[in-house]
Amino acid sequence: AQKITQTQPGMFVQEKEAVTLDCTYDTSDPSYGLFWYKQPSSGEMIFLIYQGSYDQQNATEGRYSLNFQKARKSANLVISASQLGDSAMYFCAMREGRAEGGSEKLVFGKGTKLTVNP
Amino acid sequence: ETGVTQTPRHLVMGMTNKKSLKCEQHLGHNAMYWYKQSAKKPLELMFVYSLEERVENNSVPSRFSPECPNSSHLFLHLHTLQPEDSALYLCASSQTSPSTGELFFGEGSRLTVL
Repeated sequence: AQKITQTQPGMFVQEKEAVTLDCTYDTSDPSYGLFWYKQPSSGEMIFLIYQGSYDQQNATEGRYSLNFQKARKSANLVISASQLGDSAMYFCAMREGRAEGGSEKLVFGKGTKLTVNP
Repeated sequence: ETGVTQTPRHLVMGMTNKKSLKCEQHLGHNAMYWYKQSAKKPLELMFVYSLEERVENNSVPSRFSPECPNSSHLFLHLHTLQPEDSALYLCASSQTSPSTGELFFGEGSRLTVL
């Protein structure tokens, strides 16, 4: 079974509008971490935002926020005020268990390609 | 200097060649990783090194041979590869506790096997 599911292969959004990228996860471990990465055409995976399973509040980083619904096992990424430079692949990832500090095993979804239209 | 640097960025090799991918991190981390990214597939973890010791080998064929001479450098030696090994190979590093487990990635080495 897939640990991370991203059901949207591609998404389109108009510049300056908000967009939500879906991510659901599967784990029986009570301690886990959820990550979102952005991969532009250059190839580099850029860390965007992190949510720990015990965090009470949804994570936010600038224009990025994570809509964490623990009971539904979803961790959707919300990008507000989309910019042309947001066009990229977006990957959801999960770390099961506590961070070991130096040897992390992240499992990634297949990604969503976001296109921002002018 | 960027945090994680990978060379070469692009590599084309025949099935009988031997080549190496290099990764260098300037972040003071002590764990390094190789991931394989193929088209329309999730990233696949290949190898993990922590404190220069291999702690994970995800059933990777022996034609891929990692080497971690120190905490800042990681190599992936390639020999007698197959066309299906063509992919983007991403190197990453992570720090010791306290940590969320975030990985810092390089830009990748795009490998084409003819």
